[in-house]
Amino acid sequence: AQSVSQHNHHVILSEAASLELGCNYSYGGTVNLFWYVQYPGQHLQLLLKYFSGDPLVKGIKGFEAEFIKSKFSFNLRKPSVQWSDTAEYFCAVNARENNRLAFGKGNQVVVIP
Amino acid sequence: DGGITQSPKYLFRKEGQNVTLSCEQNLNHDAMYWYRQDPGQGLRLIYYSQIVNDFQKGDIAEGYSVSREKKESFPLTVTSAQKNPTAFYLCATGTAISNQPQHFGDGTRLSIL
Repeated sequence: AQSVSQHNHHVILSEAASLELGCNYSYGGTVNLFWYVQYPGQHLQLLLKYFSGDPLVKGIKGFEAEFIKSKFSFNLRKPSVQWSDTAEYFCAVNARENNRLAFGKGNQVVVIP
Repeated sequence: DGGITQSPKYLFRKEGQNVTLSCEQNLNHDAMYWYRQDPGQGLRLIYYSQIVNDFQKGDIAEGYSVSREKKESFPLTVTSAQKNPTAFYLCATGTAISNQPQHFGDGTRLSIL
């Protein structure tokens, strides 16, 4: 079964700083990749996803992620964060063969105004 | 409004009792999922169902049971066999072809006294 690693569980940064959250997965087959976000007091929601094609994926609110197959990575980036980006971010990997979605442990991001 | 309803929001039970968490959806989604969220653990899949009257075990199914008698409903029973049931439980739905949960409920926080 696939597994997902997210490092630096707690991230604190100032507004306008750049954000990059790492996501690495272990699975040898074909995968679909996702980033989910959970804002304080709200539902978990999909931020962006990669199924195929251009490995640089753009999502909502200025986020993007790049799939690097050789590194089994799908890192999330935002050039300039805002206070409203304070949330918990989860990377998830779905192996097409088994239809199971595995989540990472999440990154708690706090943006200081 | 279409959505997922999880009830109750908070649930307290004595040790040794079975407890059932409700999940109802009116999104007409075929697939439904139950996840458990623990601090620092991310989301872990308990059970999922892709069609009525069928369901599969996820990664941490031991001590849990489900049923899928109707498309709209996917109740989760936390049995007394579950060693550490205190957690936040999330129900999610998705279309049959999407291969991943697309919408999440508000969750139920279960505490065992």
